Amino acid sequence: EAEVAQSPRYKITEKSQAVAFWCDPISGHATLYWYRQILGQGPELLVQFQDESVVDDSQLPKDRFSAERLKGVDSTLKIQPAELGDSAMYLCASSIKLLGTSVYNEQFFGPGTRLTVL
Amino acid sequence: GESVGLHLPTLSVQEGDNSIINCAYSNSASDYFIWYKQESGKGPQFIIDIRSNMDKRQGQRVTVLLNKTVKHLSLQIAATQPGDSAVYFCAENSGGSNYKLTFGKGTLLTVNP
Repeated sequence: EAEVAQSPRYKITEKSQAVAFWCDPISGHATLYWYRQILGQGPELLVQFQDESVVDDSQLPKDRFSAERLKGVDSTLKIQPAELGDSAMYLCASSIKLLGTSVYNEQFFGPGTRLTVL
Repeated sequence: GESVGLHLPTLSVQEGDNSIINCAYSNSASDYFIWYKQESGKGPQFIIDIRSNMDKRQGQRVTVLLNKTVKHLSLQIAATQPGDSAVYFCAENSGGSNYKLTFGKGTLLTVNP
């Protein structure tokens, strides 16, 4: 069964360091999402891609976070510099939804990357 | 801002009992709702969804009820099993055709054997 892949699964870093997370969506999925999930809370959308284009990054802290999906397939989320408050689970999800259609296509989530900032 | 929330943070049931997990939403313009299950160390998994033009939808052992009058959503799990133990989130679509999901805080369901 196809799955969303994420790496690393766990990351420990010191504040002010740079970190990067990688996501490989299910093959053929045009839409890719990055979420942040603080312990005990629901996921919060950071950025949404349609192919290689950003559809929504209104919740992305752009002073320190960046995301790219250069070839419209896999994606990288970067934090520089990391802060203590960035400790969370970072989830990637993908769906086959095509922009402009009204049909909802299920978002499939990866296992996440657990980030701890010391 | 508008948000999706849950009434009960934890729920403990006996194996075989029925479970009901509740969710309140405040965005009257939301037209689509989803329930997700998240097991420890895993990403959320889709359970069931419902559109705002419906008030009930059934799946295998699960039923979602939508009451738009009081902006309330519930998930019913029949004959709860130990494998149902997880955190359950409701989510609403706040992004129109882009399907931007806003998640609630989650309810931890514990099934006792």
